[in-house]
Amino acid sequence: DQQVKQNSPSLSVQEGRISILNCDYTNSMFDYFLWYKKYPAEGPTFLISISSIKDKNEDGRFTVFLNKSAKHLSLHIVPSQPGDSAVYFCAASAKEYGNKLVFGAGTILRVKS
Amino acid sequence: NAGVTQTPKFQVLKTGQSMTLQCAQDMNHNSMYWYRQDPGMGLRLIYYSASEGTTDKGEVPNGYNVSRLNKREFSLRLESAAPSQTSVYFCASSEALPRGVFFGQGTRLTVV
Repeated sequence: DQQVKQNSPSLSVQEGRISILNCDYTNSMFDYFLWYKKYPAEGPTFLISISSIKDKNEDGRFTVFLNKSAKHLSLHIVPSQPGDSAVYFCAASAKEYGNKLVFGAGTILRVKS
Repeated sequence: NAGVTQTPKFQVLKTGQSMTLQCAQDMNHNSMYWYRQDPGMGLRLIYYSASEGTTDKGEVPNGYNVSRLNKREFSLRLESAAPSQTSVYFCASSEALPRGVFFGQGTRLTVV
């Protein structure tokens, strides 16, 4: 049973608009959440993270929101650019499990120019 | 700065053949990992090594073995490849979990 779920396999957005990628988790022990970005034929690269003690973290065009009561996090990209087209993976970890990352299935983002 | 280097990048095996995927990192990280990526499944942890000399099973270890040769190198071995092991394999390393997990470029393995 997947503990980290990304229910939207793909998302298409116009350049300049907001992209919102969603992620849900089931394990309340998770205390750290990350987003990774992956281009074809490359490995995933770290994008942004958030600790469970916060509800928002911002880094330039990227903002991650965490709603612990709903076990939901989202990644907002504003404004979206064609270079943002990639697969985005949500990941979670817990100290109790040695901080190993548990990944969602990924969402393919296409930003149209 | 090479980061995490995996070899080979592509491989085709026949069912029953064996092979070893090589991984090396130059960031002096203690921890190293092997993941596989399958459509609709995300990245799943096969094995990891928290430090030199230790290895532990991850979520999907069956059919694989690993060796932490030294601090830099962590190899993944398929003793008798099966079509179900067709996947993209990623090696990763980290120092301070959960932050700072760095991935290699991946090995695309096809078992026919």
